Amino acid sequence: NAGVTQTPKFRVLKTGQSMTLLCAQDMNHEYMYWYRQDPGMGLRLIHYSVGEGTTAKGEVPDGYNVSRLKKQNFLLGLESAAPSQTSVYFCASSGGYGYTFGSGTRLTVV
Amino acid sequence: AQSVTQPDIHITVSEGASLELRCNYSYGATPYLFWYVQSPGQGLQLLLKYFSGDTLVQGIKGFEAEFKRSQSSFNLRKPSVHWSDAAEYFCAVGSDTGGFKTIFGAGTRLFVKA
Repeated sequence: NAGVTQTPKFRVLKTGQSMTLLCAQDMNHEYMYWYRQDPGMGLRLIHYSVGEGTTAKGEVPDGYNVSRLKKQNFLLGLESAAPSQTSVYFCASSGGYGYTFGSGTRLTVV
Repeated sequence: AQSVTQPDIHITVSEGASLELRCNYSYGATPYLFWYVQSPGQGLQLLLKYFSGDTLVQGIKGFEAEFKRSQSSFNLRKPSVHWSDAAEYFCAVGSDTGGFKTIFGAGTRLFVKA
């Protein structure tokens, strides 16, 4: 049982480049979330989804887009990366309160 | 708006000693409260959760937490710490704005000395 799988695990981007982070879950969860983790700030919600085909903004959505075309997948896109987006990104899924997290993607924008 | 405060950025305890990590929340109604643990290079793992009922909640790995409404606190405790407990611990509260969103504290890093 893989749980929540994030790819890639590491990535270095140049300013202005684009990329997509993939999150896949095999628990048939309705809800999925993207968070970013920065030192001293805990986790901040970027976007989330309450079901296939739905997305909604979280606390820090600017500069990011998401899609949930299939229930098991939740994609996070950066159209034009900026150094301020250097962070560790976590995906989580749930059937309610209490999340299952992926192991994260460490992104550096230079 | 809901918020979570973890007053201690880091704590050091000796192996075998007891542990208490502090958490205070801001929430109008009865909150949904959580503790998560993050080992280095890993994602977060749910330790325990409080929704209602008994205010002392048991979790995995020998942890427990006590909900105190009068103090708006949900402190995490463990009677005897093991070296493998060294990690970062996050307190969290469920948001009341739908989607089962969760608001996390800034975290407390636990160091365990031999």
